[in-house]
Amino acid sequence: DTAVSQTPKYLVTQMGNDKSIKCEQNLGHDTMYWYKQDSKKFLKIMFSYNNKELIINETVPNRFSPKSPDKAHLNLHINSLELGDSAVYFCASSQRLVAYEQYFGPGTRLTVT
Amino acid sequence: RKEVEQDPGPFNVPEGATVAFNCTYSNSASQSFFWYRQDCRKEPKLLMSVYSSGNEDGRFTAQLNRASQYISLLIRDSKLSDSATYLCVVKRDTGGFKTIFGAGTRLFVKA
Repeated sequence: DTAVSQTPKYLVTQMGNDKSIKCEQNLGHDTMYWYKQDSKKFLKIMFSYNNKELIINETVPNRFSPKSPDKAHLNLHINSLELGDSAVYFCASSQRLVAYEQYFGPGTRLTVT
Repeated sequence: RKEVEQDPGPFNVPEGATVAFNCTYSNSASQSFFWYRQDCRKEPKLLMSVYSSGNEDGRFTAQLNRASQYISLLIRDSKLSDSATYLCVVKRDTGGFKTIFGAGTRLFVKA
């Protein structure tokens, strides 16, 4: 049983395109996150949702828009993709906002050409 | 200056060695501290939480020094399977409990 799943695992696309990454967790957690890990392996939080409500929105371009249709899902839509968006995007969840452990999905490797 | 700083390494150690990683954080309002492990091309996974009193989990010992804003991880009797990147993680309440990851310390354990 996969706790946190993401689709697709790999995404190769051209500059200017719009793409979405989907995330689902079957842990019954209240809180979900999106992280970006760049080529230098630095993992940076982008968004945090608690009970479908946006809690943290880091300095991320408006081209990135998260959507949480329910507590188990947090999708990430990216408009007008740029070369600099190439990275691995990780979805994660935690039981509560203040919970210690975050469970990460396997990541989506996005390459913009 | 990054809020959470780690020596990127790599640390190259033989099996059976003891190795220590350090991490410093700049925001004194930080409340919770953790070590995560990330294998190559995989997702990060929680290794252990870090408490001021120090805590141990098998071969792993973590320590927190709030006065110096310093976190450490000690690995004893290193195994080949310990080869990974170790991420220092700090959590603080900004109204949303922000989680900040260090850039990681790379460990290679060799036979």
